[in-house]
Amino acid sequence: NAGVMQNPRHLVRRRGQEARLRCSPMKGHSHVYWYRQLPEEGLKFMVYLQKENIIDESGMPKERFSAEFPKEGPSILRIQQVVRGDSAAYFCASSLAGLNTGELFFGEGSRLTVL
Amino acid sequence: DAKTTQPTSMDCAEGRAANLPCNHSTISGNEYVYWYRQIHSQGPQYIIHGLKNNETNEMASLIITEDRKSSTLILPHATLRDTAVYYCIVRVGGNAGNMLTFGGGTRLMVKP
Repeated sequence: NAGVMQNPRHLVRRRGQEARLRCSPMKGHSHVYWYRQLPEEGLKFMVYLQKENIIDESGMPKERFSAEFPKEGPSILRIQQVVRGDSAAYFCASSLAGLNTGELFFGEGSRLTVL
Repeated sequence: DAKTTQPTSMDCAEGRAANLPCNHSTISGNEYVYWYRQIHSQGPQYIIHGLKNNETNEMASLIITEDRKSSTLILPHATLRDTAVYYCIVRVGGNAGNMLTFGGGTRLMVKP
């Protein structure tokens, strides 16, 4: 029973390039959450998605960032025209049905480095 | 506007109990207390949660005061692998779909 799978685990991009981070939730989970953790800082909520719907994107930067969770396939966090300040660990979490038990299952994260 | 207050850091001797406090004086009646931890460079891990009653599982115990304004996470026999940042979070229960908001947490260092 695989956990939350994130890939790539490490990604290096030059300024101006695009970064795509993928998250496959646990089997049976239809709710996905993305968090960002800047170096030496805490986890910050970015976006909450259900299949094909964005439920809460209050933590997403207004520009360059987008997220999707299609009917088939993994959730994608896309960062266009990356800047050095985007360097961070991006964690994905999934839950069975909303957060009724409060238990989110986190992946191991994708670490983005912008040169 | 942090809903919880935790000490920044704590030390604990290996094999002893680690008691991590959390203040949540503005907690609402329908808010649960959740504990997560993050071991260095890994994704956060759920530990335990509770509403009013004390809770225990294979990882830890959660003691919630009667007025619910504070709680304590207890790791009964801390090991070196328990060194991590521990987050106390309050959120509404039920199928509300509310995200978890992480604060600064307590950095627990378990020492030999």
